[in-house]
Amino acid sequence: GDSVTQMEGPVTLSEEAFLTINCTYTATGYPSLFWYVQYPGEGLQLLLKATKADDKGSNKGFEATYRKETTSFHLEKGSVQVSDSAVYFCALSPYSSASKIIFGSGTRLSIRP
Amino acid sequence: NAGVTQTPKFRILKIGQSMTLQCAQDMNHNYMYWYRQDPGMGLKLIYYSVGAGITDKGEVPNGYNVSRSTTEDFPLRLELAAPSQTSVYFCASSYQDRGRMEDQPQHFGDGTRLSIL
Repeated sequence: GDSVTQMEGPVTLSEEAFLTINCTYTATGYPSLFWYVQYPGEGLQLLLKATKADDKGSNKGFEATYRKETTSFHLEKGSVQVSDSAVYFCALSPYSSASKIIFGSGTRLSIRP
Repeated sequence: NAGVTQTPKFRILKIGQSMTLQCAQDMNHNYMYWYRQDPGMGLKLIYYSVGAGITDKGEVPNGYNVSRSTTEDFPLRLELAAPSQTSVYFCASSYQDRGRMEDQPQHFGDGTRLSIL
């Protein structure tokens, strides 16, 4: 079945460091791919999305490129801030089922000042 | 902008008690969802609804019931609370145009933290 695998956390970085959170997926067809962010005590918020191969989603300095050949959607940011500390979830929505989203287990990111 | 509103934010129940978690959205979304998030884990889909009067099971529906009498509301019912249902519950909604099959993102509430003792 469809699934999402993302790197385990926690990930701890210093402010202004480069961030990569790996995400790979297994799906039939052409799923849509998402990154959601969850700040402490809050629900999930959409960070960025990509709906077809080679699309690049971007928002708030974060980027991720839909790579069908490697079935990956890695999240990157060139210079992280303390305010980026949160849990990040990679997710996919199967093409055949617009009603369901499959989430990865989440990666907790902590940024040191 | 209210978005998705969940009540209550916190609740402690005794084993065997029942309760209803409320969820309302004001975005005229057709799809609504209930998830549970266990510590250190991702979200698991409990139930979802594609429109008023229509509900369907997700990955972990046992021990829960839902109803969707209006577009705005999607309550989740626990009939006989068990310790295994201790979790954080999230409600979400989205607008899906099935004619276009383009996946729109889900909008989440802030969650209900439920403890069963």
